[in-house]
Formats: sequence, C-alpha cells, structure tokens
Amino acid sequence: DAGVIQSPRHEVTEMGQEVTLRCKPISGHNSLFWYRQTMMRGLELLIYFNNNVPIDDSGMPEDRFSAKMPNASFSTLKIQPSEPRDSAVYFCASSLASLGYTDTQYFGPGTRLTVL
Amino acid sequence: EDKVVQSPLSLVVHEGDTVTLNCSYEVTNFRSLLWYKQEKKAPTFLFMLTSSGIEKKSGRLSSILDKKELFSILNITATQTGDSAVYLCAVVQGAQKLVFGQGTRLTINP
Repeated sequence: DAGVIQSPRHEVTEMGQEVTLRCKPISGHNSLFWYRQTMMRGLELLIYFNNNVPIDDSGMPEDRFSAKMPNASFSTLKIQPSEPRDSAVYFCASSLASLGYTDTQYFGPGTRLTVL
Repeated sequence: EDKVVQSPLSLVVHEGDTVTLNCSYEVTNFRSLLWYKQEKKAPTFLFMLTSSGIEKKSGRLSSILDKKELFSILNITATQTGDSAVYLCAVVQGAQKLVFGQGTRLTINP
C-alpha cells in the first residue's frame, strides 16, 4: 500500500509568490495533518482535518497560510504571499483515528520549500 | 505553555554501545507519548506509550513511560551505524494533536 504522497518534493520560489503544497493521505485514513519543520522550532503542527473537516488550525502562523481538504484523498496547503521565513520542510501525515481517538500518524516524505 | 524537552540534544557513541534518550513533558490533556526516528526524510513511527511502567520493545529498542514523573526513555542496545538518526519524542494532546520535542541527534561511529 502506498504511503502518504506529497508533491512537489522541492520548491524554490521568490518572495511574494503563491506556493501550493499537495498531499494524498493513505487510503482509508480519517485524519490528515500538516506540519512544518525548521531548525529553530522543530516540528510544529499547523492544522489537522478529520473526515475532511478542519478541527484545529491554531498552529497556522498567519493569514497568509490556508489549507483545504476537498475530499478524503487530497489536501492542499497554500501560502500567499510567501516570505523567506516560510522556508522549511512541510510534512503531511495521516492516521486512521476518528475524531476523539488516537492512532499512529504516518508521515509523507515532505516538501522542502525555499523562498528567496 | 505546553512543552516537550528531550535530552541530550546530541549524542555520539561507538558501535555496540547502549544509549538512553530522555523525554520529559509538561502538556495539558495528555493522551499518550510517541517516539519517532527521523533519518534524512520523514519521521517513522517507533512506539506509542499510553500506560505507565509498561515497557514496549522492538528488537534492540525499548521504551517506557512514567506518567507520575512525566518522562519517557528510549533505550537502544548494541547500537549499529544504521541507528544514526534524529529521535523525536511527541506527546499526544487531546486526541490527535502532537507536540514534538526538539529531537536527539544520535551518531553511531564504527
């Protein structure tokens, strides 16, 4: 079974441009998570969805960031406009857990974003 | 403020040594604690600990949780160069929110 799929794997863009990161969770998983990893702050949860509904977006840094999950097999994280401080590795993860339950989160390979 | 603190931040040992990695936490609404291994890519799951005092074991790796003292340890015996990685501790807050520690960078020299 395929794991979590993310695209692109690497993205280099210029400040002010819009960036869209994509994620396909493991089939059958109910929850999807977006994380950001930097040297300074480590791994931080940005937002998570359960059954395509955003549950907790308290980690989203500011209005420039938005995430959607139009269906059970696809999610996007958009940054508009991008800034150099957004440079990081962005991970998507998914789990079987239903709302209110805990289960192992499986991580995708990540997207390395560089904003010049 | 919720926090997860790992120690040491970096550790260098020789192949065959035994290592102990530490994770302490102060997190509201604790549900469970997870350990992940991260090489040059995505974190991969090692253990989930929910109950205090019950050791989880997988090959040369083992882990235990102390919910009274709010910490966990990850032990690796007879280390191999393939164990070199960043080891991440994360606390499940509520049902699904993970709060990560900074990680311990483990280097195993041959």
